[in-house]
Amino acid sequence: EAQVTQNPRYLITVTGKKLTVTCSQNMNHEYMSWYRQDPGLGLRQIYYSMNVEVTDKGDVPEGYKVSRKEKRNFPLILESPSPNQTSLYFCASSLSGTGGSYYGYTFGSGTRLTVV
Amino acid sequence: LAKTTQPISMDSYEGQEVNITCSHNNIATNDYITWYQQFPSQGPRFIIQGYKTKVTNEVASLFIPADRKSSTLSLPRVSLSDTAVYYCLVGATSGTYKYIFGTGTRLKVLA
Repeated sequence: EAQVTQNPRYLITVTGKKLTVTCSQNMNHEYMSWYRQDPGLGLRQIYYSMNVEVTDKGDVPEGYKVSRKEKRNFPLILESPSPNQTSLYFCASSLSGTGGSYYGYTFGSGTRLTVV
Repeated sequence: LAKTTQPISMDSYEGQEVNITCSHNNIATNDYITWYQQFPSQGPRFIIQGYKTKVTNEVASLFIPADRKSSTLSLPRVSLSDTAVYYCLVGATSGTYKYIFGTGTRLKVLA
């Protein structure tokens, strides 16, 4: 089944303790992206990747890191999490990242992160 | 980057047609318009995408006027299970690959 898999689904951690949220897709998609979703703010893009070893900042990259060493994986790293990073996180992938394609995103099921 | 504006919420009754309009005044020449549906605590799901005029698939229609500064998602004969948040998304161009979601429209379908 074509899908984007995120892990874990739920995570409670303490301030300053490094964590990684994994994201993997099995569709050979070139484009991958991370979003966070907060009440009243909709979906905000954190980072995106156009292909292996090619990443760039979205609208809210502060406090996050990403890497794209393999095409299928795009982990989100929080080096020193803070309470304001408590949010619902979504990973997404697309065959092509350009606006001129007829391919939409496939989203993962989400990771609910709480930083205390 | 094209910013989108949608109504915050809408109510409808089962069996009615629902039209949700999205404004994107700064849309670029190469941008496509995509709509997504999101249920609580789930990732958004692709509904439909278009560039101009009208696009129809098995779940919705998308109407885009000639100036492309707005678009309308049309859901025919909605049911209770269509209660969700609907997002309009306009693709970026010039190699920036940034996609901006608006705050979405919360559709509530009533029995």
